[in-house]
Amino acid sequence: GEDVEQSLFLSVREGDSSVINCTYTDSSSTYLYWYKQEPGAGLQLLTYIFSNMDMKQDQRLTVLLNKKDKHLSLRIADTQTGDSAIYFCAESSHGGYNKLIFGAGTRLAVHP
Amino acid sequence: KAGVTQTPRYLIKTRGQQVTLSCSPISGHRSVSWYQQTPGQGLQFLFEYFSETQRNKGNFPGRFSGRQFSNSRSEMNVSTLELGDSALYLCATSPGENTEAFFGQGTRLTVV
Repeated sequence: GEDVEQSLFLSVREGDSSVINCTYTDSSSTYLYWYKQEPGAGLQLLTYIFSNMDMKQDQRLTVLLNKKDKHLSLRIADTQTGDSAIYFCAESSHGGYNKLIFGAGTRLAVHP
Repeated sequence: KAGVTQTPRYLIKTRGQQVTLSCSPISGHRSVSWYQQTPGQGLQFLFEYFSETQRNKGNFPGRFSGRQFSNSRSEMNVSTLELGDSALYLCATSPGENTEAFFGQGTRLTVV
């Protein structure tokens, strides 16, 4: 079946790196996504990775994909207070067109 | 380029009523998907439309329906509202299949 799991909370000090982890079950997923949600807002697409890639870097964001273990991670370098939000991992469901399966979200708290 | 526009942003309805939510996609995007977000169930896929056809549907009762117009704008309708329908309803639009999905700010529906 389709399932995406994430840890629920992460607390980091400002300036440190944050690593948010995610596991998924659908080995045929073509795309894997990271979204950010701030209070009262919709979902902001941060980055995505094709399933045939191992890594993608975009400024302070680094996505690592271990397809064998079905493990996805998002690293945020030099974490700032503005990064405090909920981060969602999502996989595209194979054959499901644009159907995304989301994890429960990881709440990132950045403290001074 | 304008983003995904959802209207209205907030709604309060009474049990038993019906409601219609609207989503205007990014120009050129032909796929519109709808999601329900609640604290208990997280983000759940409702349905997806492409070129006015529903291509995929999630596990929601028949009270939840949608449609897409020739200009790709989409509406979703919930009839006979229940308290449990209180949620943030998000729409996401994509240019094609299994590509990036961009979300609107959502419509927060409260059923009293």
